[in-house]
Amino acid sequence: NAGVTQTPKFRILKIGQSMTLQCAQDMNHNYMYWYRQDPGMGLKLIYYSVGAGITDKGEVPNGYNVSRSTTEYFPLRLELAAPSQTSVYFCASSYEFQPQHFGDGTRLSIL
Amino acid sequence: KQEVTQIPAALSVPEGENLVLNCSFTDSAIYNLQWFRQDPGKGLTSLLLIQSSQREQTSGRLNASLDKSSGRSTLYIAASQPGDSATYLCAVRLDRNQFYFGTGTSLTVIP
Repeated sequence: NAGVTQTPKFRILKIGQSMTLQCAQDMNHNYMYWYRQDPGMGLKLIYYSVGAGITDKGEVPNGYNVSRSTTEYFPLRLELAAPSQTSVYFCASSYEFQPQHFGDGTRLSIL
Repeated sequence: KQEVTQIPAALSVPEGENLVLNCSFTDSAIYNLQWFRQDPGKGLTSLLLIQSSQREQTSGRLNASLDKSSGRSTLYIAASQPGDSATYLCAVRLDRNQFYFGTGTSLTVIP
């Protein structure tokens, strides 16, 4: 039971660098989501997708981009890393309006 | 804007005790409410999802209730065990791209 798999688990970036956070799910869920979790704050939705080829912004999309070419994969791209993007990033998937299944997260530090 | 509050932020109980965790929200026009547990360094695990038309959901020793009119949900844990120690989060969904998470209650069950 793989569920939602996120890679890498940890990463340190320098300011201005770019990277892609990977997310894969094997449950054939149509919905996928990216969240960030900051200390003392609730999770915030960055981007979501309702199916292959369809993505849309969440509450905090600035500084990020996503793509969804297949049902299984939903990568999150940081183009110009900034210290404010230091956070824990979670990917999740679900059927429409059904319980979300989360990955274990990517812990990202930008120095 | 929807605000989700979880009080207390931390709770410590002896093993075997029944306990209630609280979640309050400001906008009653929710689609559903979901309870999660989060273990240190891990992602969120879905416990119960209550649709707006439902009043409660049960799974094993867990029971979640929803009162939309008063903007409250409770998670009841019966006969608590040390393995229940974790952070418990609630999240309300307003629409397909509007999710609001509380900051959680950190539960410690003392053997």
